[in-house]
Amino acid sequence: GEDVEQSLFLSVREGDSSVINCTYTDSSSTYLYWYKQEPGAGLQLLTYIFSNMDMKQDQRLTVLLNKKDKHLSLRIADTQTGDSAIYFCAERNRSGGGADGLTFGKGTHLIIQP
Amino acid sequence: EPEVTQTPSHQVTQMGQEVILRCVPISNHLYFYWYRQILGQKVEFLVSFYNNEISEKSEIFDDQFSVERPDGSNFTLKIRSTKLEDSAMYFCASSSTEFNYGYTFGSGTRLTVV
Repeated sequence: GEDVEQSLFLSVREGDSSVINCTYTDSSSTYLYWYKQEPGAGLQLLTYIFSNMDMKQDQRLTVLLNKKDKHLSLRIADTQTGDSAIYFCAERNRSGGGADGLTFGKGTHLIIQP
Repeated sequence: EPEVTQTPSHQVTQMGQEVILRCVPISNHLYFYWYRQILGQKVEFLVSFYNNEISEKSEIFDDQFSVERPDGSNFTLKIRSTKLEDSAMYFCASSSTEFNYGYTFGSGTRLTVV
């Protein structure tokens, strides 16, 4: 079945770049997403990438997709204290049609050191 | 910015009782979803809803669960006879298109079954 894996924790110094990694198993994944969850809040869509793309950049965020290795990463440049949150990788398989559900990873806790 | 609103934020119920979790999706959205996250585990898809009927449901969404859009604004998840293992954070989400750009999630309802 589909599975999405992420490391549970990442600690970086303020001002450094953070790279959060994700692997997935479903080769028919068509859309891949990064969501951010701050304490007590819902899941906020940060960015997404289509499976026919290798890279997407949006301000401080860079998403890299390696389809061969089924590896997705999120790079946050110049990490700030406000970036402290849980980051979820998610994938979607369009094979069935209709409003398919997302498969999420467990989330990576990004910890910012001063 | 439009939001998905969930109420209550926290609900405590006795095992065997019925609970209704409420959601107000974004007004012009057409697709609605429920997800849950058991503490320390992944966010799991429960059900998607479009055009007043269920589009897709996961194995978790058994006969104890039901969804309803009773009027033009609310979207509810009912659990008929709660079990201890139903304790989780339940997230509602909505989207305007089938799925392309991800969803907007609510802040969640933390359900505790005692």
